Amino acid sequence: DSGVTQTPKHLITATGQRVTLRCSPRSGDLSVYWYQQSLDQGLQFLIQYYNGEERAKGNILERFSAQQFPDLHSELNLSSLELGDSALYFCASSDTGGSPLHFGNGTRLTVT
Amino acid sequence: GQQLNQSPQSMFIQEGEDVSMNCTSSSIFNTWLWYKQDPGEGPVLLIALYKAGELTSNGRLTAQFGITRKDSFLNISASIPSDVGIYFCAGLADSGGSNYKLTFGKGTLLTVNP
Repeated sequence: DSGVTQTPKHLITATGQRVTLRCSPRSGDLSVYWYQQSLDQGLQFLIQYYNGEERAKGNILERFSAQQFPDLHSELNLSSLELGDSALYFCASSDTGGSPLHFGNGTRLTVT
Repeated sequence: GQQLNQSPQSMFIQEGEDVSMNCTSSSIFNTWLWYKQDPGEGPVLLIALYKAGELTSNGRLTAQFGITRKDSFLNISASIPSDVGIYFCAGLADSGGSNYKLTFGKGTLLTVNP
């Protein structure tokens, strides 16, 4: 158990809809990262937060947004969903930006 | 941007055999990480390497941080069926201002035949 909790485990929704994925980092970790994993693209970095502030952005679409709350949990919001957004979405946390990431078990999003 | 070339893409081996996989990069990393991902789960950290030339073991796993800081390898000795999974290398580089960018390889799918 990595200590990183992600909910829900599975999500099935229709195109055009909006969903929210939630992540609770390991106790004591200030940094939260979001990754998207699809079969052909591997693990793609989306965005990082550190202690509530956005720290780095990767290949995150404008339809996607995230935030980290004062209690350090984070949410990833995906809107105007398209079929191609179907993927595994992972959250990871670390205590500082330079330490290894610990991953949650992911949310599998299926857009129909 | 930074890219990691991980090879091989997949391996089919017999139980008891040793396995070797590696990652190379065109840029320097401060840290090399190796993860394993089982189906339906998130990547789990196996080994972290922090210094060029460092050789670290974790049970039957051994990994090394290349001297040039642009490569790393992972060896698994005496493989067992539960070693099946996808192995990812990842390189961590300081982007400046305490920002660290983690780049993943595309993974090596390992299949172990009992």
